[in-house]
Amino acid sequence: QKEVEQNSGPLSVPEGAIASLNCTYSDRGSQSFFWYRQYSGKSPELIMFIYSNGDKEDGRFTAQLNKASQYVSLLIRDSQPSDSATYLCAVSDGSARQLTFGSGTQLTVLP
Amino acid sequence: EPEVTQTPSHQVTQMGQEVILRCVPISNHLYFYWYRQILGQKVEFLVSFYNNEISEKSEIFDDQFSVERPDGSNFTLKIRSTKLEDSAMYFCASKPVGGNIQYFGAGTRLSVL
Repeated sequence: QKEVEQNSGPLSVPEGAIASLNCTYSDRGSQSFFWYRQYSGKSPELIMFIYSNGDKEDGRFTAQLNKASQYVSLLIRDSQPSDSATYLCAVSDGSARQLTFGSGTQLTVLP
Repeated sequence: EPEVTQTPSHQVTQMGQEVILRCVPISNHLYFYWYRQILGQKVEFLVSFYNNEISEKSEIFDDQFSVERPDGSNFTLKIRSTKLEDSAMYFCASKPVGGNIQYFGAGTRLSVL
């Protein structure tokens, strides 16, 4: 059984701070790692994806992957109230394979 | 920007009735997926579809579920005899050949009474 674990939160940070979201996964064969943002009642929206160990930066977002530790994280710099949402970590073991989602971390950015 | 379109946005049905949820994937995508999310729970994979056949399915995708690509644009999920526990958001996703990103539709909220 493939598992993806996330701290459910809620995580609260002040506006302008760095929000750090963490995820661990059980399947060592996992190859692709994704962070989706989900607003209440809406569909998942892709924020970042990462395939290789290390860091990947896109604007205010940085994804970090450590395959040896089976750990992936998302950093959000200069957090804004509009970043308040549930962040879903998703993992796949192949390019066409299913995504296995974590339960999500609820982030609140306080003005 | 191309997007995955799902209809209806909300479907209300009586227990035991059949429902069909519809999806129009992004036009040049060839991999299609259905996921569901029960209120307050995680997004769960149901089934993937490629080249007119099921590629993978989860334990949830039992005999009451079926998928079909009836024409060149639509991708449907049929639930034959709905149960109360089928109430959830159902998301369709599609992916292009050679890409890794699955793009999600806005979802259909299914309410079984």
